[in-house]
Amino acid sequence: GENVEQHPSTLSVQEGDSAVIKCTYSDSASNYFPWYKQELGKGPQLIIDIRSNVGEKKDQRIAVTLNKTAKHFSLHITETQPEDSAVYFCAASSVWGGKLIFGQGTELSVKP
Amino acid sequence: KAGVTQTPRYLIKTRGQQVTLSCSPISGHRSVSWYQQTPGQGLQFLFEYFSETQRNKGNFPGRFSGRQFSNSRSEMNVSTLELGDSALYLCASSFQRGATDTQYFGPGTRLTVL
Repeated sequence: GENVEQHPSTLSVQEGDSAVIKCTYSDSASNYFPWYKQELGKGPQLIIDIRSNVGEKKDQRIAVTLNKTAKHFSLHITETQPEDSAVYFCAASSVWGGKLIFGQGTELSVKP
Repeated sequence: KAGVTQTPRYLIKTRGQQVTLSCSPISGHRSVSWYQQTPGQGLQFLFEYFSETQRNKGNFPGRFSGRQFSNSRSEMNVSTLELGDSALYLCASSFQRGATDTQYFGPGTRLTVL
């Protein structure tokens, strides 16, 4: 069935360091991969997304890479700041529109 | 442009009761999806509505239902509440219902079942 594995479950870095979160998906038909940031008491907020015709996408300090052959994609945050501390979720689209399959989340802690 | 709004934000119910949650999508968005978020199971897809029709359904019992109105606003209903239904219920809207359409989430409704 459809499944997305996300690692690590927790990640602690020093301010200014880089953070990398990795996800693997099972459905080879998936072609859309968003990343969400969720802060305490809030809903998930889209931070970046990538579609399967692109291998890498960057937006300021955030980048996502996609390897369709290996069925994995990663989130890279450079020059981390304390305000980056949150839970990050990766997701993959289902062939059935309107449905996202989510990873289990990564709790990122950026220490000043 | 206003984001996705959900009401109420918090709800406390007892076992056996039923509950209705409401979601107003971003203006112009026609697709609304619902997700359940719990610490144990994470974010799980409940169902999706587009043009007032349920287009896709997740693996949840029939006690979970929903509908969409002509203005794209959506409601979900849970009948005969169980303790395990305690969760954050999230609504997401997108412009269309394509597999690559971006979904924008609301703040959620925190449901506690006692």
